[in-house]
Amino acid sequence: SAVISQKPSRDICQRGTSLTIQCQVDSQVTMMFWYRQQPGQSLTLIATANQGSEATYESGFVIDKFPISRPNLTFSTLTVSNMSPEDSSIYLCSVVGGGSYEQYFGPGTRLTVT
Amino acid sequence: AQSVTQLGSHVSVSEGALVLLRCNYSSSVPPYLFWYVQYPNQGLQLLLKYTSAATLVKGINGFEAEFKKSETSFHLTKPSAHMRDAAEYFCAVSGGPGGSYIPTFGRGTSLIVHP
Repeated sequence: SAVISQKPSRDICQRGTSLTIQCQVDSQVTMMFWYRQQPGQSLTLIATANQGSEATYESGFVIDKFPISRPNLTFSTLTVSNMSPEDSSIYLCSVVGGGSYEQYFGPGTRLTVT
Repeated sequence: AQSVTQLGSHVSVSEGALVLLRCNYSSSVPPYLFWYVQYPNQGLQLLLKYTSAATLVKGINGFEAEFKKSETSFHLTKPSAHMRDAAEYFCAVSGGPGGSYIPTFGRGTSLIVHP
């Protein structure tokens, strides 16, 4: 298994500002994933982040809005840019572990945009 | 392509009663199947997984699930609910060998446990 921490755990931000979320893993991993969980909804994959290459974004998500960095094998950041109230969500990072593709999740960052 | 359907956004049971949370999947390759639990204000935690070994899978906290290929189902059960089981439960499917390792999650089922 992997232990994942995220910072901040929650934040309240003004419309039009940006927030950077950090994700730290206790072991080296090839791929990290960023998800969004809107209130009462399931998880939506934002992007997959490989170390040393550009992140791969899912349909409906773009790099200008959600830039991702992956400077090493244990760390990644997700920035939510030019925020609007629609960006209010829980943002989760995860990694794949083991041989059967189970995912391990961080505790999430609860973002409220006013 | 793969998808997951969780029947019932909310399931309400009394403490001590049987818990049954339903999950049906579709997958173009033999699947790996997962149940995750999310307690309030926490991330997701793996409850159990099916990876083509035994069809009856036992997980943590007394939960188990049975893979039924003919019914494309992977329902989650627990014989006796506890108050601490109140949480959101997510079923997920990913491709097995040769398939996509990125899971598709269901919409989640909120389990409510009454005293």
